[in-house]
Amino acid sequence: DTEVTQTPKHLVMGMTNKKSLKCEQHMGHRAMYWYKQKAKKPPELMFVYSYEKLSINESVPSRFSPECPNSSLLNLHLHALQPEDSALYLCASSQAWGAKDTEAFFGQGTRLTVV
Amino acid sequence: SQQGEEDPQALSIQEGENATMNCSYKTSINNLQWYRQNSGRGLVHLILIRSNEREKHSGRLRVTLDTSKKSSSLLITASRAADTASYFCATTSGGSYIPTFGRGTSLIVHP
Repeated sequence: DTEVTQTPKHLVMGMTNKKSLKCEQHMGHRAMYWYKQKAKKPPELMFVYSYEKLSINESVPSRFSPECPNSSLLNLHLHALQPEDSALYLCASSQAWGAKDTEAFFGQGTRLTVV
Repeated sequence: SQQGEEDPQALSIQEGENATMNCSYKTSINNLQWYRQNSGRGLVHLILIRSNEREKHSGRLRVTLDTSKKSSSLLITASRAADTASYFCATTSGGSYIPTFGRGTSLIVHP
């Protein structure tokens, strides 16, 4: 199984809503990532978890709150988002953060629209 | 911040032709990876080339790396309409092995 599964595929939420994005992998990878991608732009790193601990937060606003309940799951909790937060949110995993020459596997993303 | 910069930003070719995309970067790298992204979907890993390698092949894909020029190229031979996608290079450098993406090349292959 070389899949990273993200749910939901599409999400529309209001600015006062609270929602969560979910990501799951069963490849035994110990590093998991959240990226944000705006239309016609490259993915931008948001967070890195290594061995279930938050290792990198790329100065992401607190309205985005990541969580790694176990080594297979990664969540991104959303609260009080703004319309400009609308984007494709991509989850990725790799063998380990800091492991040389390891490829990252990406999920299909969640297309988020904030209204 | 973006490390790789792809060139051209957009490429339109006929089926059967070869497609070449280039990626330039600024600092020393550990490795360089190429990804494909179909419209609005996730990224698919195509190939990884290490900093001490000069060329790699995978099926119809050929990747070269010139560390003296800080550049890489991705060649897709005998292109197909299904190759239509955006192609990104991503580099890892220093102590970080997290891929940092360039802005991508949008490839359209006309049947």
